[in-house]
Amino acid sequence: DVKVTQSSRYLVKRTGEKVFLECVQDMDHENMFWYRQDPGLGLRLIYFSYDVKMKEKGDIPEGYSVSREKKERFSLILESASTNQTSMYLCASRPRDSGATWRYTFGSGTRLTVV
Amino acid sequence: GENVEQHPSTLSVQEGDSAVIKCTYSDSASNYFPWYKQELGKRPQLIIDIRSNVGEKKDQRIAVTLNKTAKHFSLHITETQPEDSAVYFCAVTHPGAGSYQLTFGKGTKLSVIP
Repeated sequence: DVKVTQSSRYLVKRTGEKVFLECVQDMDHENMFWYRQDPGLGLRLIYFSYDVKMKEKGDIPEGYSVSREKKERFSLILESASTNQTSMYLCASRPRDSGATWRYTFGSGTRLTVV
Repeated sequence: GENVEQHPSTLSVQEGDSAVIKCTYSDSASNYFPWYKQELGKRPQLIIDIRSNVGEKKDQRIAVTLNKTAKHFSLHITETQPEDSAVYFCAVTHPGAGSYQLTFGKGTKLSVIP
């Protein structure tokens, strides 16, 4: 079973801090994604990556950046945390389309509070 | 970009009744339609998915129907049980989307009343 691990379940950070959210998957998936989840807004795509060192903006990239130095690890970076970035952050991965599945596997999420 | 509308936002049903959640999408090229269930405090889990070359798919008490012409698809849960209580998300993707990223609906909170 694919395992997607997010390093922190809960984080509390101060406004202006640089914040790193880490995600690791153990199934050699090419594609990785970062979403934020807010009540009434569903899951919104922040950034995704389809290969090492490759990244693409999603629907709401402002205030975020990402890093993918190794295939198994995809990091989300808040350059200067703000209170409106308080949210649940979900990482997901999926294999390159092999025709067999397009299915995502999600991590457990990191609930970030910026004070 | 793709736009996904999901209705209703909340749904309460009596145990044993059926529940139906509907989603509409905007991009006619969309070709993959999964449904995720998220229990309180847990990660979203895929419960069923369908591709555009299929009109209906069933897995025990859960079924998904797709109407490509009208650009909508629905989740049907029969004989609901209390453990079906959760937030359900529909999603779509299409070949033009890099890495086939999913666009999600806003979710439906389903409550099954014992």
